[in-house]
Amino acid sequence: GESVGLHLPTLSVQEGDNSIINCAYSNSASDYFIWYKQESGKGPQFIIDIRSNMDKRQGQRVTVLLNKTVKHLSLQIAATQPGDSAVYFCAEPIGGNQGGKLIFGQGTELSVKP
Amino acid sequence: DAGITQSPRHKVTETGTPVTLRCHQTENHRYMYWYRQDPGHGLRLIHYSYGVKDTDKGEVSDGYSVSRSKTEDFLLTLESATSSQTSVYFCAISESTGVHGYTFGSGTRLTVV
Repeated sequence: GESVGLHLPTLSVQEGDNSIINCAYSNSASDYFIWYKQESGKGPQFIIDIRSNMDKRQGQRVTVLLNKTVKHLSLQIAATQPGDSAVYFCAEPIGGNQGGKLIFGQGTELSVKP
Repeated sequence: DAGITQSPRHKVTETGTPVTLRCHQTENHRYMYWYRQDPGHGLRLIHYSYGVKDTDKGEVSDGYSVSRSKTEDFLLTLESATSSQTSVYFCAISESTGVHGYTFGSGTRLTVV
């Protein structure tokens, strides 16, 4: 079956450094991916998305890279700040036009050291 | 989050009792979803709805039922709560498939003792 998984459950970085969070997927036909950020006690929030016709997409301090050859995507956070401390999930919609169900990876917890 | 509210935010219940969680949206979105979040499992889909009275099962639907009689409300019912259903439950809404994904509620923390 389809799966979306993350390489590391935890990541600790120094404030100001760049963070890279990785995600692997299994379905080579997947064409859309989303990154979410979940802060403690809150629901996940949309960060950035990317379609399979792109290799890279940039947002504000965040960049998502997609490597379709190895079925891997990554979220890069530039100049990581304490407010970036959270759990980050990659997600992929399945089910086409009927419901567009999202499946999530297990998440990577990012800790930012001052 | 604006436009989607879950109630209650916290609940403790006894094994064997029925429990209903409510998700209310003011966005008039077509799609609504219930997920549970547990350590080591991430977010797993319980049930979802693609319109009024149109619902379907997700990957972990056993022991849960849902109802959607109005666009704005999606109810999740545990007919007879078990300790394995202790979890944090999230509701999500989306306007259409694959467009920026979902908007999530703030979650309901359910403890079954």
